Amino acid sequence: DAGVIQSPRHEVTEMGQEVTLRCKPISGHNSLFWYRQTMMRGLELLIYFNNNVPIDDSGMPEDRFSAKMPNASFSTLKIQPSEPRDSAVYFCASTPPGGREQFFGPGTRLTVL
Amino acid sequence: GENVEQHPSTLSVQEGDSAVIKCTYSDSASNYFPWYKQELGKGPQLIIDIRSNVGEKKDQRIAVTLNKTAKHFSLHITETQPEDSAVYFCAASQVGGGADGLTFGKGTHLIIQP
Repeated sequence: DAGVIQSPRHEVTEMGQEVTLRCKPISGHNSLFWYRQTMMRGLELLIYFNNNVPIDDSGMPEDRFSAKMPNASFSTLKIQPSEPRDSAVYFCASTPPGGREQFFGPGTRLTVL
Repeated sequence: GENVEQHPSTLSVQEGDSAVIKCTYSDSASNYFPWYKQELGKGPQLIIDIRSNVGEKKDQRIAVTLNKTAKHFSLHITETQPEDSAVYFCAASQVGGGADGLTFGKGTHLIIQP
Protein backbone atom coordinates (compact mmCIF):
# COMPACT_ATOMS: atom_id res chain seq x y z
CA ASP A 1 0.00 0.00 0.00
CA ALA A 2 1.19 3.51 -0.75
CA GLY A 3 2.03 5.65 2.21
CA VAL A 4 1.59 9.40 2.48
CA ILE A 5 2.79 11.01 -0.74
CA GLN A 6 4.38 14.44 -0.81
CA SER A 7 5.54 16.50 -3.76
CA PRO A 8 7.89 17.91 -4.65
CA ARG A 9 10.59 16.17 -2.58
CA HIS A 10 12.92 19.13 -3.01
CA GLU A 11 12.15 22.73 -3.87
CA VAL A 12 14.60 25.56 -4.35
CA THR A 13 13.16 29.01 -4.93
CA GLU A 14 14.05 32.65 -4.58
CA MET A 15 12.80 35.00 -1.92
CA GLY A 16 9.44 36.50 -2.83
CA GLN A 17 8.27 33.60 -4.96
CA GLU A 18 5.14 31.57 -4.24
CA VAL A 19 5.68 27.99 -3.10
CA THR A 20 3.06 25.24 -3.09
CA LEU A 21 3.64 21.94 -1.30
CA ARG A 22 1.35 19.00 -1.95
CA CYS A 23 0.21 16.02 0.08
CA LYS A 24 -1.84 12.93 -0.65
CA PRO A 25 -2.85 11.15 2.59
CA ILE A 26 -3.25 7.41 2.90
CA SER A 27 -6.55 6.32 1.38
CA GLY A 28 -9.28 6.10 4.01
CA HIS A 29 -7.52 8.37 6.49
CA ASN A 30 -9.61 11.32 7.63
CA SER A 31 -7.16 13.48 9.57
CA LEU A 32 -4.24 15.30 7.95
CA PHE A 33 -1.43 17.21 9.64
CA TRP A 34 1.25 19.59 8.34
CA TYR A 35 4.51 19.89 10.30
CA ARG A 36 7.70 21.88 9.77
CA GLN A 37 11.15 20.68 10.88
CA THR A 38 14.19 22.92 11.40
CA MET A 39 17.38 22.47 13.39
CA MET A 40 16.54 25.39 15.64
CA ARG A 41 12.87 24.72 16.36
CA GLY A 42 12.56 20.98 15.79
CA LEU A 43 9.24 19.54 14.60
CA GLU A 44 6.34 21.98 14.84
CA LEU A 45 2.67 21.47 14.06
CA LEU A 46 1.43 24.03 11.56
CA ILE A 47 -2.19 23.01 10.97
CA TYR A 48 -4.40 19.97 10.97
CA PHE A 49 -7.63 18.96 9.25
CA ASN A 50 -10.33 16.50 10.22
CA ASN A 51 -12.71 15.39 7.47
CA ASN A 52 -11.28 18.17 5.26
CA VAL A 53 -12.11 20.88 7.82
CA PRO A 54 -9.27 22.87 9.45
CA ILE A 55 -9.39 22.22 13.21
CA ASP A 56 -6.31 23.97 14.56
CA ASP A 57 -4.22 26.46 12.60
CA SER A 58 -2.61 28.14 15.59
CA GLY A 59 0.80 26.91 14.48
CA MET A 60 0.71 28.69 11.12
CA PRO A 61 3.49 31.25 11.52
CA GLU A 62 2.05 34.18 9.59
CA ASP A 63 -0.47 35.23 6.98
CA ARG A 64 2.03 34.28 4.30
CA PHE A 65 1.17 30.65 5.04
CA SER A 66 -2.12 29.07 3.98
CA ALA A 67 -3.35 25.49 3.75
CA LYS A 68 -6.30 23.90 2.01
CA MET A 69 -7.87 20.48 1.82
CA PRO A 70 -10.38 20.53 -1.05
CA ASN A 71 -11.09 16.80 -0.78
CA ALA A 72 -10.17 13.75 1.28
CA SER A 73 -7.24 12.82 -0.92
CA PHE A 74 -5.38 16.08 -1.40
CA SER A 75 -4.00 18.98 0.61
CA THR A 76 -1.77 21.95 -0.18
CA LEU A 77 0.43 24.22 1.91
CA LYS A 78 1.18 27.52 0.24
CA ILE A 79 3.74 30.17 1.16
CA GLN A 80 3.36 33.56 -0.52
CA PRO A 81 5.71 35.37 -0.57
CA SER A 82 8.46 33.01 0.56
CA GLU A 83 11.38 34.16 2.74
CA PRO A 84 14.77 32.56 3.52
CA ARG A 85 13.62 31.78 7.09
CA ASP A 86 10.94 29.50 5.62
CA SER A 87 13.68 27.07 4.60
CA ALA A 88 12.89 23.78 6.33
CA VAL A 89 11.60 20.26 5.76
CA TYR A 90 7.81 20.19 5.61
CA PHE A 91 6.07 16.94 6.55
CA CYS A 92 2.52 15.82 5.99
CA ALA A 93 0.99 13.08 8.15
CA SER A 94 -2.38 11.32 8.25
CA THR A 95 -4.39 9.16 10.63
CA PRO A 96 -7.33 6.79 10.07
CA PRO A 97 -10.75 7.32 11.68
CA GLY A 98 -10.49 6.61 15.40
CA GLY A 99 -6.75 6.02 15.11
CA ARG A 100 -3.94 7.66 17.00
CA GLU A 101 -0.82 6.80 15.00
CA GLN A 102 0.22 9.52 12.60
CA PHE A 103 1.79 8.18 9.41
CA PHE A 104 4.35 10.61 8.05
CA GLY A 105 5.28 11.27 4.45
CA PRO A 106 8.90 11.57 3.27
CA GLY A 107 8.84 15.37 3.51
CA THR A 108 9.55 18.27 1.17
CA ARG A 109 12.90 20.00 1.65
CA LEU A 110 12.35 23.70 0.90
CA THR A 111 15.24 26.08 0.33
CA VAL A 112 14.48 29.76 -0.13
CA LEU A 113 17.46 31.74 -1.43
CA GLY B 1 -0.23 25.14 25.09
CA GLU B 2 1.71 21.94 25.59
CA ASN B 3 5.48 22.01 26.08
CA VAL B 4 7.60 18.85 25.80
CA GLU B 5 11.19 18.72 27.04
CA GLN B 6 13.47 15.86 25.98
CA HIS B 7 16.86 14.74 27.32
CA PRO B 8 19.57 14.03 26.42
CA SER B 9 20.06 15.66 23.02
CA THR B 10 22.79 13.14 22.18
CA LEU B 11 23.31 9.66 23.63
CA SER B 12 26.16 7.34 22.77
CA VAL B 13 26.07 3.73 24.03
CA GLN B 14 28.00 0.56 23.34
CA GLU B 15 26.29 -2.05 21.20
CA GLY B 16 24.42 -4.43 23.46
CA ASP B 17 23.95 -1.89 26.25
CA SER B 18 20.67 -0.18 27.14
CA ALA B 19 19.61 3.35 26.21
CA VAL B 20 17.14 5.54 28.08
CA ILE B 21 15.59 8.77 26.81
CA LYS B 22 13.45 10.94 29.07
CA CYS B 23 10.71 13.47 28.39
CA THR B 24 8.52 15.75 30.46
CA TYR B 25 5.29 17.46 29.43
CA SER B 26 3.38 20.40 30.86
CA ASP B 27 -0.31 19.94 29.99
CA SER B 28 -2.11 17.53 32.32
CA ALA B 29 -4.85 17.15 29.66
CA SER B 30 -2.46 15.31 27.32
CA ASN B 31 -3.47 11.67 27.04
CA TYR B 32 -1.36 10.16 24.28
CA PHE B 33 2.43 9.83 24.22
CA PRO B 34 4.09 8.37 21.11
CA TRP B 35 7.75 7.85 20.32
CA TYR B 36 9.04 8.30 16.80
CA LYS B 37 12.27 7.21 15.15
CA GLN B 38 13.64 9.30 12.31
CA GLU B 39 16.39 8.07 10.01
CA LEU B 40 18.37 10.41 7.80
CA GLY B 41 16.33 11.78 4.91
CA LYS B 42 13.09 10.12 6.02
CA GLY B 43 9.94 11.06 7.86
CA PRO B 44 9.41 10.08 11.50
CA GLN B 45 8.09 6.57 12.08
CA LEU B 46 6.15 5.46 15.14
CA ILE B 47 7.96 2.83 17.21
CA ILE B 48 5.78 2.66 20.33
CA ASP B 49 3.08 4.69 22.05
CA ILE B 50 1.30 4.79 25.39
CA ARG B 51 -2.00 6.16 26.55
CA SER B 52 -2.51 8.01 29.81
CA ASN B 53 -4.42 5.14 31.43
CA VAL B 54 -1.39 2.82 31.20
CA GLY B 55 1.85 3.03 33.18
CA GLU B 56 4.08 0.84 31.06
CA LYS B 57 4.14 -0.82 27.66
CA LYS B 58 6.68 -3.15 26.10
CA ASP B 59 7.33 -4.35 22.58
CA GLN B 60 10.32 -6.71 22.28
CA ARG B 61 13.44 -4.61 23.02
CA ILE B 62 11.53 -1.35 23.40
CA ALA B 63 9.55 -0.19 26.43
CA VAL B 64 7.92 3.05 27.48
CA THR B 65 6.97 4.13 31.00
CA LEU B 66 4.61 6.95 31.98
CA ASN B 67 4.29 8.78 35.29
CA LYS B 68 1.19 10.98 35.05
CA THR B 69 1.68 12.53 38.45
CA ALA B 70 5.16 13.74 37.62
CA LYS B 71 4.27 14.36 33.95
CA HIS B 72 7.19 12.44 32.58
CA PHE B 73 7.66 9.46 30.31
CA SER B 74 10.69 7.50 29.16
CA LEU B 75 11.82 5.26 26.31
CA HIS B 76 13.98 2.24 27.11
CA ILE B 77 15.84 0.30 24.44
CA THR B 78 17.62 -2.86 25.58
CA GLU B 79 20.32 -4.89 23.79
CA THR B 80 20.98 -2.01 21.40
CA GLN B 81 21.99 -2.80 17.83
CA PRO B 82 23.64 -0.69 15.09
CA GLU B 83 20.30 -0.25 13.33
CA ASP B 84 18.98 1.53 16.43
CA SER B 85 21.17 4.52 15.53
CA ALA B 86 18.79 7.36 14.61
CA VAL B 87 17.08 10.43 16.04
CA TYR B 88 14.26 9.67 18.48
CA PHE B 89 11.42 12.05 19.27
CA CYS B 90 8.91 11.94 22.07
CA ALA B 91 5.57 13.69 21.66
CA ALA B 92 2.33 14.43 23.45
CA SER B 93 -1.21 15.23 22.38
CA GLN B 94 -4.86 15.27 23.48
CA VAL B 95 -6.42 12.71 21.20
CA GLY B 96 -10.14 13.25 20.76
CA GLY B 97 -10.09 16.60 22.51
CA GLY B 98 -9.74 18.80 19.45
CA ALA B 99 -6.00 18.99 19.97
CA ASP B 100 -4.85 15.91 18.12
CA GLY B 101 -1.74 17.56 16.72
CA LEU B 102 1.49 16.32 18.25
CA THR B 103 3.82 18.51 20.30
CA PHE B 104 7.32 17.08 19.86
CA GLY B 105 10.42 17.16 22.00
CA LYS B 106 13.60 18.42 20.36
CA GLY B 107 14.92 14.93 19.68
CA THR B 108 17.73 12.65 20.87
CA HIS B 109 20.47 11.55 18.52
CA LEU B 110 21.21 7.96 19.56
CA ILE B 111 24.59 6.62 18.48
CA ILE B 112 25.35 2.92 18.88
CA GLN B 113 29.09 2.32 19.12
CA PRO B 114 30.24 -1.05 17.71
